[in-house]
Formats: sequence, structure tokens, C-alpha cells
Amino acid sequence: DAKTTQPPSMDCAEGRAANLPCNHSTISGNEYVYWYRQIHSQGPQYIIHGLKNNETNEMASLIITEDRKSSTLILPHATLRDTAVYYCIVKIQGAQKLVFGQGTRLTINP
Amino acid sequence: GAGVSQSPRYKVAKRGQDVALRCDPISGHVSLFWYQQALGQGPEFLTYFQNEAQLDKSGLPSDRFFAERPEGSVSTLKIQRTQQEDSAVYLCASSLADRDQPQHFGDGTRLSIL
Repeated sequence: DAKTTQPPSMDCAEGRAANLPCNHSTISGNEYVYWYRQIHSQGPQYIIHGLKNNETNEMASLIITEDRKSSTLILPHATLRDTAVYYCIVKIQGAQKLVFGQGTRLTINP
Repeated sequence: GAGVSQSPRYKVAKRGQDVALRCDPISGHVSLFWYQQALGQGPEFLTYFQNEAQLDKSGLPSDRFFAERPEGSVSTLKIQRTQQEDSAVYLCASSLADRDQPQHFGDGTRLSIL
């Protein structure tokens, strides 16, 4: 699986959009980008995933660059409950296990 | 619907004791995973089941770690002769049969070895 690079920490004001970057410059054509988050003392929570196209669901939007070497997770209106560690994971299509990095610790400030 | 359930939520054991951690996956989920999360680190893969078959155990750190899922539903992770370095949060996840479906995690068992 391709390696991902994320900033260790970020801050965002409540009500603003939180944009979390992820670098995956060695990604292959058959590798998906997944985003999970982990709130303190809970298990990781699935947010969204994509292969080539941008994706949107009720939680977030995923923007993947045309060359697929980076992506951005967007939380459109951040709330205090969005404070968590966010993991960007690249997984080969059909593979089973997830390989977590260190993630980005996002703090939403009132 | 109910999510992935893990028990116990917390477990304290003395070094050398055996422990068993239980995972109840989401009903109908074929795939089941175990991960280990050390303090301040991301989760690390331990093992994977498809139904009752253990298809990947490459992440188990030693032969003291054993996992089973005899009827393709509930799974148990057993650690024999526990060591202090086994202290961690043990997470279970399940997913539908399609390999690219997202994994849904339980809240884990926090294991402390004294």
C-alpha cells in the first residue's frame, strides 16, 4: 500500500470548513483513498472513500487531485464534536487490511 | 442497528496470565478484523477472518496470540502468558463481503498488564 503523509495537527474554528490534506504521491491506479477518524476513547469511524472521482456523503467531501497524488477531506461546517484524529489510508483494491499512519489531530475551537 | 460490540471494555491482568477478548460483529458481516493500538499510535492489523476461516494472521506479534471465529460470527482473541508489552487497546472491526466496503469498528478493549 502506498504511504500517506498528513500534518500532525490542525486547528479550525467552529462553524468553519475544516480542510484536511493528505499526500499519497506513490499511489497506484488500483488503490483507494479512505478516511477514518477516531474520537478519544472510541474506535475508528469510517468517513468516506474514493478511487478517482470526488465523493460526498452526509459527513464530508473527498477531493482527489487529477494526478491522484494528494487528496483533501472537507468537513463543511465543523462542530466541537469533530475534534478527533483523522487518518488518511491508501488501500489496494481487493486488499483486506487497513494500514494506519499517525493521522492528523484536528481540534475544533469554539 | 447495533454496531460492533467488544467485551470487556477494560481488562487488567497480571503478567503471565491468559486473557480472552470477545468481539460481536455487525449481523451479516462476513469479514472480521482485529487490530492492536498502542498509546499514541494508529491501529495495527493483527488478523482477518472471512466467515470462520482465518485468512491472514500475518500481524499477530507472537505465537502467544491466537484468534478464532468458530461459527463465523463471534470472535475471540486470546493472549497467553501475557507480557507488559501486550498492554494496548485491542480493536475489532467487521465489514460486508465486498473487500472494498468500509470496516466498522468497535470501541475496543483496553488491556493493561501489571
